[in-house]
Amino acid sequence: GAGVSQSPSNKVTEKGKDVELRCDPISGHTALYWYRQSLGQGLEFLIYFQGNSAPDKSGLPSDRFSAERTGGSVSTLTIQRTQQEDSAVYLCASSPRTGAYTGELFFGEGSRLTVL
Amino acid sequence: AQSVTQLDSQVPVFEEAPVELRCNYSSSVSVYLFWYVQYPNQGLQLLLKYLSGSTLVESINGFEAEFNKSQTSFHLRKPSVHISDTAEYFCAVSETDSWGKLQFGAGTQVVVTP
Repeated sequence: GAGVSQSPSNKVTEKGKDVELRCDPISGHTALYWYRQSLGQGLEFLIYFQGNSAPDKSGLPSDRFSAERTGGSVSTLTIQRTQQEDSAVYLCASSPRTGAYTGELFFGEGSRLTVL
Repeated sequence: AQSVTQLDSQVPVFEEAPVELRCNYSSSVSVYLFWYVQYPNQGLQLLLKYLSGSTLVESINGFEAEFNKSQTSFHLRKPSVHISDTAEYFCAVSETDSWGKLQFGAGTQVVVTP
């Protein structure tokens, strides 16, 4: 597909379980971002990958959150021992990050996580 | 660190009426400014951006925003809205050396009615 693809689109889990959310960026985009959209906190930056550089993890809310990006393409966001406050829509975005900065991020439709 | 304030959480507006969405930011360094839009059941899309140059920027669908450095504002306007403009609008800011690491405002829900 032409856009950023995220899966699953919806995930319901029980408190204490681990979840994995997947993001497939636009082909050729070297930068990949995870954001979280929740009612109480709005849109928050979580983590940023650029090429082979070390990721910027400064937005991860706790050590229960981790993310990896394999082969410079697909990324997985993992939340361990989920809590109810983790309920949110997790958004992935990518950008080409080549040449002049355009500021445009291309967002997926998100993965809605509900922790019961 | 920077912050973004969108003063209105919801703006009801009649079709063909003008609309203005207010955005103020604070930052100790140079920033880039953006408006993103989220239509119902869709992902976020870039509406327009200010990186440098002319302080008035326009989108292809009739929106415009003006960067005002002295007032640290980046308000979004449209002179005549359509039903299809019903969406949530997010103002965002990033430091000039911080590619894609955006600080978003809380969003403004625009509801256009006939």
